[in-house]
Amino acid sequence: GENVEQHPSTLSVQEGDSAVIKCTYSDSASNYFPWYKQELGKGPQLIIDIRSNVGEKKDQRIAVTLNKTAKHFSLHITETQPEDSAVYFCAASPFNRGTYKYIFGTGTRLKVLA
Amino acid sequence: GAVVSQHPSWVICKSGTSVKIECRSLDFQATTMFWYRQFPKQSLMLMATSNEGSKATYEQGVEKDKFLINHASLTLSTLTVTSAHPEDSSFYICSASRSGTGGETQYFGPGTRLLVL
Repeated sequence: GENVEQHPSTLSVQEGDSAVIKCTYSDSASNYFPWYKQELGKGPQLIIDIRSNVGEKKDQRIAVTLNKTAKHFSLHITETQPEDSAVYFCAASPFNRGTYKYIFGTGTRLKVLA
Repeated sequence: GAVVSQHPSWVICKSGTSVKIECRSLDFQATTMFWYRQFPKQSLMLMATSNEGSKATYEQGVEKDKFLINHASLTLSTLTVTSAHPEDSSFYICSASRSGTGGETQYFGPGTRLLVL
């Protein structure tokens, strides 16, 4: 089955710096990769996603890159702000296996220092 | 768009009682909903996949008689924790799957914190 590894587990950056979180997956059938932000005591919020036919996607300060050959994808946050502090989860999903289940990474706790 | 609600947001109950948690997709129809459990500082653990009008599919190790799931409509799924015990205390989160161009995306509810005394 699918396995998703996420690194680092914790990340501290200065306000205004960039943050990068990396995930690798094992199932080559995975073709959808969402990223979620979870604030303390709340449910995960979708922040960006990418499908396997695209190599990069950007939405303002957030971007995601996908390397299908190497089976890894990354989240890039530029010009970080204190409100970006949260736990970020990556996920992989193999749509073509007839299921929409997500396999989640272990999460990255991002702290943006003011 | 893509708003999912959960009720209640938190609940405290006595050991041995049952607790029902509702998950609603407010502005879209969801054929499939998912129930997750999350322990402090850990990732989301999928408990079951709920399909409208059919039986839920439970993940390995999740007791279906303990965690009853009903998906009676395209906008509502319920999770009932039966005969709750302190070890059932956790953060329960649902998600609803929404169709879009290129596939399905899960949108999560705000979660329900359950404390069993």
